[in-house]
Amino acid sequence: KQEVTQIPAALSVPEGENLVLNCSFTDSAIYNLQWFRQDPGKGLTSLLLIQSSQREQTSGRLNASLDKSSGRSTLYIAASQPGDSATYLCAGGTSYGKLTFGQGTILTVHP
Amino acid sequence: GAGVSQSPSNKVTEKGKDVELRCDPISGHTALYWYRQRLGQGLEFLIYFQGNSAPDKSGLPSDRFSAERTGESVSTLTIQRTQQEDSAVYLCASSLVNLEQYFGPGTRLTVT
Repeated sequence: KQEVTQIPAALSVPEGENLVLNCSFTDSAIYNLQWFRQDPGKGLTSLLLIQSSQREQTSGRLNASLDKSSGRSTLYIAASQPGDSATYLCAGGTSYGKLTFGQGTILTVHP
Repeated sequence: GAGVSQSPSNKVTEKGKDVELRCDPISGHTALYWYRQRLGQGLEFLIYFQGNSAPDKSGLPSDRFSAERTGESVSTLTIQRTQQEDSAVYLCASSLVNLEQYFGPGTRLTVT
C-alpha cells in the first residue's frame, strides 16, 4: 500500500526566498507523481505531473524532481511571492490514475 | 473550456438521510475519480471510473456509499443513511487516462 509523506508540515518564508518542499513515498513502483496547490475553500490546482520515466518537470518558477529509487520528490519554488501562499500536496499515481496524497505543506509567504 | 463542476457546493443534511452528489467531468475525459477530504485530514481515494465501469471501488468506506456514471459523462455519488463521520468535502476529478487530473471545487457535506 502506497504511503506518501510531506515535510515540512508548515513553512513560513519572506517574499523572494527560494524554497524546497519535500515528498516521500513508500512504493517505488509509482507510475507518476503530481504536485497540486490547494487554496482555502477551493479545489485542487494541478501544478506539475512527472511520469515515472522522467526526472523533473518545470513550469515557470516551479521545478519538480522525481527520484524513484530513493522514493522522493521535491518541489522547488523560486523567488517566492505572497500569492504562492497555499497548501501544497503531492500525490503518487497508479497506472490508471488512482492518487495517494500526502498530508500537505502549508506555505505562507509574507511580504 | 469548462472545467470539472460539482453540485451542490454545500449540503447540510440530517443524520440518517440519503444524499446525492453530482460531478460533471471535462468533456472527453474518460477517467473520473472521487476523493474525500475530512477536516484536518488528507485526501482519500473513493472510486475510479473508466467510462461507465468502476474497476476500482476499493476506497468506498462502507456499503452505504455507491456511485454510478452515465457513459463518459456525469457521475453521482450516493450516501445512504448518512452518519456524522460522513461530513467532509467530496472532490471529483477527471482526466485522460494517465495524464493530469483536474479537480472540481468540491461539495462540502455536513451531517447534523
